[in-house]
Amino acid sequence: GAVVSQHPSRVICKSGTSVKIECRSLDFQATTMFWYRQFPKQSLMLMATSNEGSKATYEQGVEKDKFLINHASLTLSTLTVTSAHPEDSSFYICSSSSGTGFNEQYFGPGTRLTVT
Amino acid sequence: GQNIDQPTEMTATEGAIVQINCTYQTSGFNGLFWYQQHAGEAPTFLSYNVLDGLEEKGRFSSFLSRSKGYSYLLLKELQMKDSASYLCAVRDKNYKLSFGAGTTVTVRA
Repeated sequence: GAVVSQHPSRVICKSGTSVKIECRSLDFQATTMFWYRQFPKQSLMLMATSNEGSKATYEQGVEKDKFLINHASLTLSTLTVTSAHPEDSSFYICSSSSGTGFNEQYFGPGTRLTVT
Repeated sequence: GQNIDQPTEMTATEGAIVQINCTYQTSGFNGLFWYQQHAGEAPTFLSYNVLDGLEEKGRFSSFLSRSKGYSYLLLKELQMKDSASYLCAVRDKNYKLSFGAGTTVTVRA
């Protein structure tokens, strides 16, 4: 399957600071990337859909001013958690859609964010 | 939106067979996926169904009945490494995935 990377894999930050998470599609051009959040023992919840060169589409209940998404190229999307709070501590996972075949999503390895 | 239900936990013995059921209610069905997720890792793709019937892929098979809003993932010849969470996900016409809460499968020796 396709390879998607995320950086960093783990990050600990203080309350009130901002954190940027990068998602890279390494072996295909991804016109669409998705950002998910997963709390312990819960399933993945879609936060937003990111399309290259345009504004992200956020799911209901997700604050677009708090979770800034940039998809400036076909291989890179970033999620910035602004003014992070302890309740933002979660596992953040991105995925890229191949646009061919089943058009399945390939997931990155995830980023564990802990806000103290 | 999609309401996706699957059992929380299942336990089976090494070498046995386990069937994980998934029921869903959806507006705009565009395929059903099964993913495997080990703790602390991202999901990995297992199978895809968009038409009714059984898709077999080695030790793993997946079945879909669109009229019943039902799918199952069948794991055969269970191995210890199959202990993981299995996620049922339904895709809509906008290619967005909605995930079930996951079924934790524990394989015992």
